[in-house]
Amino acid sequence: NAGVTQTPKFQVLKTGQSMTLQCAQDMNHNSMYWYRQDPGMGLRLIYYSASEGTTDKGEVPNGYNVSRLNKREFSLRLESAAPSQTSVYFCASSDNRLGYTFGSGTRLTVV
Amino acid sequence: AQSVTQLGSHVSVSEGALVLLRCNYSSSVPPYLFWYVQYPNQGLQLLLKYTTGATLVKGINGFEAEFKKSETSFHLTKPSAHMSDAAEYFCAVSGGGGTSYGKLTFGQGTILTVHP
Repeated sequence: NAGVTQTPKFQVLKTGQSMTLQCAQDMNHNSMYWYRQDPGMGLRLIYYSASEGTTDKGEVPNGYNVSRLNKREFSLRLESAAPSQTSVYFCASSDNRLGYTFGSGTRLTVV
Repeated sequence: AQSVTQLGSHVSVSEGALVLLRCNYSSSVPPYLFWYVQYPNQGLQLLLKYTTGATLVKGINGFEAEFKKSETSFHLTKPSAHMSDAAEYFCAVSGGGGTSYGKLTFGQGTILTVHP
């Protein structure tokens, strides 16, 4: 089925470890986004990519980096994980007709 | 710049009662407005969206919302609550127009509880 695929679905990291969250979409969307969801705070934008080759900071970019590898893939990297980065991470993509499509999320715990 | 405020982090209703979830937004450009629902341990599901045209928007599961520009509101309603409506609901806004939906900004969410 067409959509947004995120891997992994669950991850436990130790403080200071690094990891990359992967996101891929097969809808030929230009724009892609990374959000984090925390209780009582809704979803907050970490980084986004309006088109292939461009990335921009969102509301909460500190501690994260991103790569728009190609039109399909947009990865999120935590270089040195901290407990404050424990969250649920959602990737999304959009076009100018159908709106936004979200992945199923990655539940990350940093201990 | 854009922002969303959802009034009430928790709303409780009886089964069969009216559901009203409030959302106010601010946007420097004509907004696109969305309501999403999230069931426990699941992703986001689009309920409905307003882009242009008719200000009363009907969505899935019997929900609807009305865009009121003068009040900068986009409240979500359902005439009769069902137990299966229990979930968290998010209002969101993006900058409309042009060729891209742009960044999506979310409210903090409203948890809906439905009592028998």
